[in-house]
Amino acid sequence: QITLKESGPTLVKPTQTLTLTCTLSGFSVSRSGVGVGWIRQPPRKALEWLGIIYWDDDKRYNPSLKSRLTITMDTSKNQVVLTMTNMDPVDTATYFCAHSAYYGSGSFENWGQGTQVTVSS
Amino acid sequence: DIVMTQTPLSSPVTLGQPASISCRSSQSLVHGDGNTYLSWLQQRPGQPPRLLIYKISNRFSGVPDRFSGSGAGTDFTLKISRVEAEDVGVYYCMQSTQFPQTFGQGTRVEIK
Repeated sequence: QITLKESGPTLVKPTQTLTLTCTLSGFSVSRSGVGVGWIRQPPRKALEWLGIIYWDDDKRYNPSLKSRLTITMDTSKNQVVLTMTNMDPVDTATYFCAHSAYYGSGSFENWGQGTQVTVSS
Repeated sequence: DIVMTQTPLSSPVTLGQPASISCRSSQSLVHGDGNTYLSWLQQRPGQPPRLLIYKISNRFSGVPDRFSGSGAGTDFTLKISRVEAEDVGVYYCMQSTQFPQTFGQGTRVEIK
């Protein structure tokens, strides 16, 4: 059974750096064809794609946020980490990680429950 | 970026009746490998999104057959043949043909 779980701070101050961890279970982040993406959803708004990392360490980012985002993987812990710098109140959102099957659906097949992040001083 | 536009944004439906959601992309979603990476996701209240349909018309594992997808190129449709109470939520189309991957604004399905 594939599961993903996001963890990290629920409250960050403006200008601080946010670090979120996605812990994977039931599949290996380094297995061929695996991708793990980050998506966020501001309160009562639509989903926004942030970026994705693939099994071969290929990374893609949303150009609107690229300068602020870094996605890395830790194969020993089977985790994917999202770092977002210079946080602002507009970044307040629920942040999801999701598993993508590059050779299959090409979409996000499994999602974590999400973690709520509030940016406020 | 490819812009995904959904209509309607809200769809009140009677239980047992059909529902239909349209999604239009600002450019063709046909990938160089010949596939069209258009998906539909459902987000029930308080829940994360759930994949329903991938590559236009393929139902994901465990998805009831009352959900179906169709379309080609830039115009796509999600249909629910007979709406049930558990279908209440927001539905998103999503393209993963080109980076950045993008979502539609969402369509809220509610019971009349």
